[in-house]
Amino acid sequence: DTGVSQDPRHKITKRGQNVTFRCDPISEHNRLYWYRQTLGQGPEFLTYFQNEAQLEKSRLLSDRFSAERPKGSFSTLEIQRTEQGDSAMYLCASSPTRGYTFGSGTRLTVV
Amino acid sequence: TQLLEQSPQFLSIQEGENLTVYCNSSSVFSSLQWYRQEPGEGPVLLVTVVTGGEVKKLKRLTFQFGDARKDSSLHITAAQPGDTGLYLCAGGTQGGSEKLVFGKGTKLTVNP
Repeated sequence: DTGVSQDPRHKITKRGQNVTFRCDPISEHNRLYWYRQTLGQGPEFLTYFQNEAQLEKSRLLSDRFSAERPKGSFSTLEIQRTEQGDSAMYLCASSPTRGYTFGSGTRLTVV
Repeated sequence: TQLLEQSPQFLSIQEGENLTVYCNSSSVFSSLQWYRQEPGEGPVLLVTVVTGGEVKKLKRLTFQFGDARKDSSLHITAAQPGDTGLYLCAGGTQGGSEKLVFGKGTKLTVNP
């Protein structure tokens, strides 16, 4: 098991474009989380899946953001019509119960 | 809104010194987790404490959860340059999801 994988590691996009990130969790973990981290801050919760069900979403997740976890395996996070304020590190984590394993993150820069 | 206040925000010490990082809140958490994060990487879990008053030791690191489950501390003995990094505390929220509320982190630099 190689841990949690995120792809891509870095993404530069123009304002207004759509972007999609992928997360492959540890296979036996049924919980999957997305967080966002900006410079000088700790990670902030975005959304939570238990298996394929999206059970909780933060108010930070505007209608431009959508996340899926088909068949309870990998997950995708899509941002539509990106804005400069979306620039951040997007972190995925998986967990069996408590204690997360984080991926290395996707660094998004919106220019 | 649950908040975790972490202090100090920055800490620069010499190799061999001891240090303590604090994490405080007015909210009760189901668990308290400590992570260490390197630049450009995701946080790595160091420890999870779940019982009020619990103390866990990991080599030179000692973690304590407050009796009321609202605060925690991380103590490092005889710090080494390899301990350099960003230390994050995170509180587990009650309600089943175990989503985490993170502090802003303590950036530790240990100089040789």
